[in-house]
Amino acid sequence: SAVISQKPSRDICQRGTSLTIQCQVDSQVTMMFWYRQQPGQSLTLIATANQGSEATYESGFVIDKFPISRPNLTFSTLTVSNMSPEDSSIYLCSVRQGNTEAFFGQGTRLTVV
Amino acid sequence: QKEVEQDPGPLSVPEGAIVSLNCTYSNSAFQYFMWYRQYSRKGPELLMYTYSSGNKEDGRFTAQVDKSSKYISLFIRDSQPSDSATYLCAMSAGDSNYQLIWGAGTKLIIKP
Repeated sequence: SAVISQKPSRDICQRGTSLTIQCQVDSQVTMMFWYRQQPGQSLTLIATANQGSEATYESGFVIDKFPISRPNLTFSTLTVSNMSPEDSSIYLCSVRQGNTEAFFGQGTRLTVV
Repeated sequence: QKEVEQDPGPLSVPEGAIVSLNCTYSNSAFQYFMWYRQYSRKGPELLMYTYSSGNKEDGRFTAQVDKSSKYISLFIRDSQPSDSATYLCAMSAGDSNYQLIWGAGTKLIIKP
């Protein structure tokens, strides 16, 4: 298993600003995943972050809006840039070990006003 | 049509009842099937995972996969109020594309 620490747990931000979310894992992992979960809805994958390479973004998500860093095998950040109220959501980081499991951080609840 | 369909509920049952949660899917390439539990204001936690068809039991939880019908189930026996949460199914083909495909989640309420 893996223990993931994610912060901040919540934030209220002004539109037009940016927020950086951090995710720390207690073991080295190859792939880290960033998800968005809007109220009452399932998880939507934003991007996959591999150490030493550019993140791979899913359809509808772009690097300028959601830049990701992955400086080492235990840490990643997701920035939500130039925020609007539509970005209000829960953001989650996740890791997989093998090809069958995923472990999640506790999530960042973002409200944009 | 979504790749994975899951009734969002809510599903409300009395304490002690047997709960059945289900997902259907359309992609016959899926081989790995997972169930997650998510409490309010928390991230999902992995409950069960199974490979291919068959049953897997862990305490009060049983996961069942029927690949011929493209249907998976999670059964909870002797349900407790602490089981009240949203349950999400997820699945993958387990090939070089590691992406999980998620259901919408079913909100479960166990009434004392």
